[in-house]
Amino acid sequence: EIVMTQSPATLSVSPGERATLSCRASQSVGSNLAWYQQKSGQAPRLLIYGASTRATDIPARFSGRGSGTEFTLTISSLQSEDFAVYYCQQCNNWPFTFGPGTTVDIK
Amino acid sequence: EVQVLESGGGLVQPGGSLRLSCAASGFTFGSYAMTWVRQAPGKGLECVSNIGVSGSTYYADSVKGRFTISRDNSQNTVYLQMNSLRAEDTAVYYCAKTSGGSWSFDYWGQGTLVTVSS
Repeated sequence: EIVMTQSPATLSVSPGERATLSCRASQSVGSNLAWYQQKSGQAPRLLIYGASTRATDIPARFSGRGSGTEFTLTISSLQSEDFAVYYCQQCNNWPFTFGPGTTVDIK
Repeated sequence: EVQVLESGGGLVQPGGSLRLSCAASGFTFGSYAMTWVRQAPGKGLECVSNIGVSGSTYYADSVKGRFTISRDNSQNTVYLQMNSLRAEDTAVYYCAKTSGGSWSFDYWGQGTLVTVSS
């Protein structure tokens, strides 16, 4: 099973600032990496797939990059609705494992 | 509009059984894999089971031999039969549609809560 790790566990950011979240896989997953946003009491929402492709209706302030074992999600200018938990997921080998999440909260 | 709607959750005793259903609409159901993902209270996400368009199935080691996934393309529904339930199976169970372009999950239901407790 591929183990996914995320850093930091919590990121405190002021509205309008840039946030960079990291995700690492225990072995190469190529570009088969997705990012999700989850708000309290809601289902996760797909943000990025294929490591760098934004999903439908996802604003351009969200961007992803990386391949192999190292990935990042950048939110260029945080809006109030972006404060949430973010998960990365490898979609290369079953089981498709998730990272433990990064909480982005208001500084 | 794509919709995914889970049902069937509830309170069950350890060792008991439960069947979850996931009704989908707004897309060609038979052309997409479907996955059950669970989230224990206050915890992260875990892929439980996946069923492909051809009916191929995959399970997490934690549920293998106890859970069975199936699909009925005529009813646009996927099921998760859960037997020999344990306290550690307590979670919100989400049904998710697999994206056509990758194995990511582009549409999720609102989830159904399964509580295993005596």
